[in-house]
Amino acid sequence: GAVVSQHPSRVICKSGTSVKIECRSLDFQATTMFWYRQFPKKSLMLMATSNEGSKATYEQGVEKDKFLINHASLTLSTLTVTSAHPEDSSFYICSARTGGLSPLHFGNGTRLTVT
Amino acid sequence: AQTVTQSQPEMSVQEAETVTLSCTYDTSESDYYLFWYKQPPSRQMILVIRQEAYKQQNATENRFSVNFQKAAKSFSLKISDSQLGDAAMYFCAYHTSGTYKYIFGTGTRLKVLA
Repeated sequence: GAVVSQHPSRVICKSGTSVKIECRSLDFQATTMFWYRQFPKKSLMLMATSNEGSKATYEQGVEKDKFLINHASLTLSTLTVTSAHPEDSSFYICSARTGGLSPLHFGNGTRLTVT
Repeated sequence: AQTVTQSQPEMSVQEAETVTLSCTYDTSESDYYLFWYKQPPSRQMILVIRQEAYKQQNATENRFSVNFQKAAKSFSLKISDSQLGDAAMYFCAYHTSGTYKYIFGTGTRLKVLA
């Protein structure tokens, strides 16, 4: 149980275009999902907390207009990287919890390459 | 502010041997949770083990066990009978019941030598 599915696993896009990444909780409802970014050989950096039915909460230094988050249902959150630039190339991981104090369950990540 | 420190960027262990990965943290909270996550080359984050701070007994999951020293704010992971499949990045993480945030350490890359 507690499976989080993330799609796509890899995406290559041209500079200036937008890319949407989906995160789904397959067997549980997630009122809150979390989006992380991971640079090569680095730790996970929390970008934002996605709240179902309300606005996302962004961490300091994360541009909310560049990284649009939508959490339209209890099982789906999307992250859209708008007007992507090469410096946005990274590994993006979503996660969710089944309950308030349960461990985080992670998607399998999306490697974004902006050319 | 809470912090999580993993002082070993890389560790190596011979197959079938035992290895211990270190993690220390800093917090003023009394109620919190600690985790070890494994990230193999596939980049999938996998929960290895979890420890509640209020529990004195160290958590154990098969070949994985922790040494939780609350007063010292130390949370090390012991892997017994290491297997080739244990090779991965290991992240220590901290979470309090009062906040949604997980704080991750910088990770330790574990190599298992055949």
